[in-house]
Amino acid sequence: EADIYQTPRYLVIGTGKKITLECSQTMGHDKMYWYQQDPGMELHLIHYSYGVNSTEKGDLSSESTVSRIRTEHFPLTLESARPSHTSQYLCASSRGTSGSYNEQFFGPGTRLTVL
Amino acid sequence: RKEVEQDPGPFNVPEGATVAFNCTYSNSASQSFFWYRQDCRKEPKLLMSVYSSGNEDGRFTAQLNRASQYISLLIRDSKLSDSATYLCVVNRADSWGKFQFGAGTQVVVTP
Repeated sequence: EADIYQTPRYLVIGTGKKITLECSQTMGHDKMYWYQQDPGMELHLIHYSYGVNSTEKGDLSSESTVSRIRTEHFPLTLESARPSHTSQYLCASSRGTSGSYNEQFFGPGTRLTVL
Repeated sequence: RKEVEQDPGPFNVPEGATVAFNCTYSNSASQSFFWYRQDCRKEPKLLMSVYSSGNEDGRFTAQLNRASQYISLLIRDSKLSDSATYLCVVNRADSWGKFQFGAGTQVVVTP
């Protein structure tokens, strides 16, 4: 089992609230990722980190921001939640080596509903 | 053209039968290939990496065809528990540290 954790697992919140989705991994992986996935749809990369203090936006335009102050921790923040942010948010990490040992491990996800 | 394309299915498979499906990718320089399994409303879980020479893990066999730029997954002796969506994952053209996910192939194993 992968050692990557996300909290909360479920969150229902009102429009305009600030929220932070937590993601932590204990595998010492350099690379971490945030994906957004709507039901029945594919995963879309919204944020990526190469390592501490290094982050970049992914493909899907997102109003969220991330930080990477420690290797193990990669929180995602929404300053003002809107109903369009309702989705599942999946955090992942990988060793970051090339080839077949580059697999990603996923956390259980946070299912966010904004009313 | 999408970087990674999969037949969405569903593939309806009788229990005990064999099912196989492919995934095509557009980046000829891709080096990392994986099959993930995703159950409804759960996170993706690594099923197997795909090696150049092909590889097998129990009832699952993965193949890579670089010339035609596709990978395949074959499931033998299907079990009811194999019902899931199978995601093809390939490292991206713009960064080997990033990955492109296919939309998934749904497999439904019936009694």
